[in-house]
Amino acid sequence: GAGVSQTPSNKVTEKGKYVELRCDPISGHTALYWYRQSLGQGPEFLIYFQGTGAADDSGLPNDRFFAVRPEGSVSTLKIQRTERGDSAVYLCASSSGTGVYNEQFFGPGTRLTVL
Amino acid sequence: TQLLEQSPQFLSIQEGENLTVYCNSSSVFSSLQWYRQEPGEGPVLLVTVVTGGEVKKLKRLTFQFGDARKDSSLHITAAQPGDTGLYLCAGVYNNNDMRFGAGTRLTVKP
Repeated sequence: GAGVSQTPSNKVTEKGKYVELRCDPISGHTALYWYRQSLGQGPEFLIYFQGTGAADDSGLPNDRFFAVRPEGSVSTLKIQRTERGDSAVYLCASSSGTGVYNEQFFGPGTRLTVL
Repeated sequence: TQLLEQSPQFLSIQEGENLTVYCNSSSVFSSLQWYRQEPGEGPVLLVTVVTGGEVKKLKRLTFQFGDARKDSSLHITAAQPGDTGLYLCAGVYNNNDMRFGAGTRLTVKP
């Protein structure tokens, strides 16, 4: 497909476990964003990549959260020692990354539930 | 602390009514975007406003960017049930970085 895809669509895990969430951006998009969205809230910024490097990781809540984008395309968000408070929908978006008309295209999200 | 404050948080109106939702910040943005989100989906861009005082129209939706580029409003004329959804504003700064408000959840009753 031509859009942003995220896998898995749903992930249920137990407290203390490690999880990886994957994002496949639109081909050719240089910028990639991760957000976390709790029920009824707007997306909360986590991290933004320009190419392979993290241009802004100020939104990562603590050192249990880490994200990589080794080849400047697919990105993985990694959460260690999951806690119940990590339960949310994790959204990924990509953009061409240039100019003020920078439209982000969002994936459908991964719903993470920590029991 | 929310960088962008949206109001109201919830709005429930009857079909045919007009409404305005607001997005305010103490920060100046390069541009400001409005997105709409349906349940189970990611947000979808409605409009980008760039110039202070700019007004853009998208059918029954009118978007305005404040003169100082710190705030914006979205006005919907003759709302329809299909307008129901979560309306999000997002401030863009440093060209590519972006922060979202908490959103206004709109329900339009037939």
